[in-house]
Amino acid sequence: EVQLVESGEGLVQPGSSMKLSCVASGFTFSNYGMNWIRQAPKKGLEWIALIYYDSSSKYYADSVKGRFTISRDNSKNTLYLEMNSLRSEDTAMYYCAKSAALDYWGQGVMVTVSS
Amino acid sequence: DIQMTQSPSSLPASLGDRVTITCRASQDIGNYLRWFQQKPGKSPRLMIYGATNLAAGVPSRFSGSRSGSDYSLTINSLESEDMAIYYCLQHNEYPYTFGAGTKLELK
Repeated sequence: EVQLVESGEGLVQPGSSMKLSCVASGFTFSNYGMNWIRQAPKKGLEWIALIYYDSSSKYYADSVKGRFTISRDNSKNTLYLEMNSLRSEDTAMYYCAKSAALDYWGQGVMVTVSS
Repeated sequence: DIQMTQSPSSLPASLGDRVTITCRASQDIGNYLRWFQQKPGKSPRLMIYGATNLAAGVPSRFSGSRSGSDYSLTINSLESEDMAIYYCLQHNEYPYTFGAGTKLELK
């Protein structure tokens, strides 16, 4: 059974940094691209980043480009999202999702950016 | 960026109804279109992939279709468990983009 478990949720001040993790199981993690998607409270879904299976390519939404970094450690079956210069508009539930076409999602973690 | 224009934003319907939700792509995305269902407090669930293919475990009352740049999700004979928000997603090119969502609710 595919499982994706995010961690790292919390409340941070504007301008600060935070790192999310997503531990994968039930499939060969190193064979698949992985994504981060977020959802602001009461809003729709926003894709924010993808990393290839071998970390050779990374893509970002314009809203996070230059501030967020997606990475992975295939030896630990873990996906990361490092978030810098956080803004109030980054407040959202953050989900990791498997493969280039988002066929499995984690349960999500809440990131709140507020002073 | 590719814009996905989803309609309607809200869809009141009765149990047993047949309903259709549509997404229009601003550029060619081929069949790189997926439909997701999201219930309150839950992660999105993949329902349709490749515009027309039913994902594993999805009831056969769900179907997807394409006409040019218009992509549709149809639910035949609505059941109470189908009440949710539905999103389309294009994954033909980066950045991936979602439709704004359609809230399906009981009339």
